[in-house]
Amino acid sequence: QSALTQPASVSGSPGQSITISCTGTSSDVGGYNYVSWYQQHPGKAPKLMLYEVTNRPSGVSNRFSGSKSGNTASLTISGLQAEDEADYYCSSYTSRNPFVFGTGTKVTVL
Amino acid sequence: EVQLVESGGGLVQPGGSLRLSCAASGFTFSAYLMHWVRQAPGKGLVWVSRINVDGSDTRYADSVKGRFTISRDNAKNTLYLQMNSLRAEDTAVYYCARDDAYKIDPWGQGTLVTVSS
Repeated sequence: QSALTQPASVSGSPGQSITISCTGTSSDVGGYNYVSWYQQHPGKAPKLMLYEVTNRPSGVSNRFSGSKSGNTASLTISGLQAEDEADYYCSSYTSRNPFVFGTGTKVTVL
Repeated sequence: EVQLVESGGGLVQPGGSLRLSCAASGFTFSAYLMHWVRQAPGKGLVWVSRINVDGSDTRYADSVKGRFTISRDNAKNTLYLQMNSLRAEDTAVYYCARDDAYKIDPWGQGTLVTVSS
């Protein structure tokens, strides 16, 4: 099972919006609406930020939003803040193994 | 508060074995599927294994199939990962995590496994 493809890095200035893509196949991202996004700060455990493509868990800022088109899902962070600087991973339920993760994207706040 | 606490990591020689444990609290452990996910130093997250609620169904990534065994003790609210025939490429932080309806949440703090001579 190959990892989902994400850009290695994305950057933006405070207040700007950025979008991270997550590309898979029809056997994972394209086949199910079970795409999640995780934020990971250095040395910390991943934290769930979005699930089922667009849903935010309680306590997650509404600056985080998600979408999906075909085999590609996207995470948008609006009003970028210094605390958003972290690694972000997408994941998807798959037809083969329960889950596959993305390659990860480092978000830098300039 | 939902909490997952891993233990059992450490330094092991290639070919050796190690058993990881994950103590769960704050939720009905026996009602949830559970996962192990690992992260090699400086690398991304990789799904390792999953177990269903009563332990009757287990799944593994191809890279660990036949070497790792996931199990659970619902009476002790504990998840396990028995790792045999360890290789250098198994070096990683291993996270225990709950499956909450097709999303993985929450995660434990992780335990580091280092395979080296």
